[in-house]
Amino acid sequence: AQTVTQSQPEMSVQEAETVTLSCTYDTSENNYYLFWYKQPPSRQMILVIRQEAYKQQNATENRFSVNFQKAAKSFSLKISDSQLGDTAMYFCAFMNPDIIQGAQKLVFGQGTRLTINP
Amino acid sequence: GAVVSQHPSWVICKSGTSVKIECRSLDFQATTMFWYRQFPKQSLMLMATSNEGSKATYEQGVEKDKFLINHASLTLSTLTVTSAHPEDSSFYICSAPGGQGGGSSYNEQFFGPGTRLTVL
Repeated sequence: AQTVTQSQPEMSVQEAETVTLSCTYDTSENNYYLFWYKQPPSRQMILVIRQEAYKQQNATENRFSVNFQKAAKSFSLKISDSQLGDTAMYFCAFMNPDIIQGAQKLVFGQGTRLTINP
Repeated sequence: GAVVSQHPSWVICKSGTSVKIECRSLDFQATTMFWYRQFPKQSLMLMATSNEGSKATYEQGVEKDKFLINHASLTLSTLTVTSAHPEDSSFYICSAPGGQGGGSSYNEQFFGPGTRLTVL
């Protein structure tokens, strides 16, 4: 079974700083997807960024980028020029895309509570 | 992107009563939906996979008779918490994979806004 581990329960940085959230996972699969989701105080889950394991290039979305190290099974999220609106819980998630096996379940990490201070 | 709604957004009930939560895909069809439970300051825990036209698949440790799931149509799944007790108080979230006729990738999941259940 796949597991996802986020070792930083809480982080806090000043506005405009850069912050990196860590995530490691364990799987025997070769093809999979990794995600970072943001859950603000409204508790609506918002997709931040997605990485396909077969792609070597790290995904980027504006101020958000990942450092995907497949061999190390590491998937960290870097937020540049952090903004007050980035304050939220961040969850790392793993998905096995094998449709034949059934629905594509998301396995979530424990989450990191990120606070951006003014 | 695709939109998933949940109703109600919050509900308070007395111990022993049953509560139904609806999850709807608004602009795409969803033969599969997922139900999660989230306790305060914790992560999402998958409870079950809802399958249109067949029985739901429950995760280990989740009571099937306690949490009844019915995937009534291609756009609606319901979770009924039967004989609710205070320990069932939690935040329940549903999600549906995209790409099921909605024009988005199948590997992306869309989440409902969640339902806060409080059992007195």
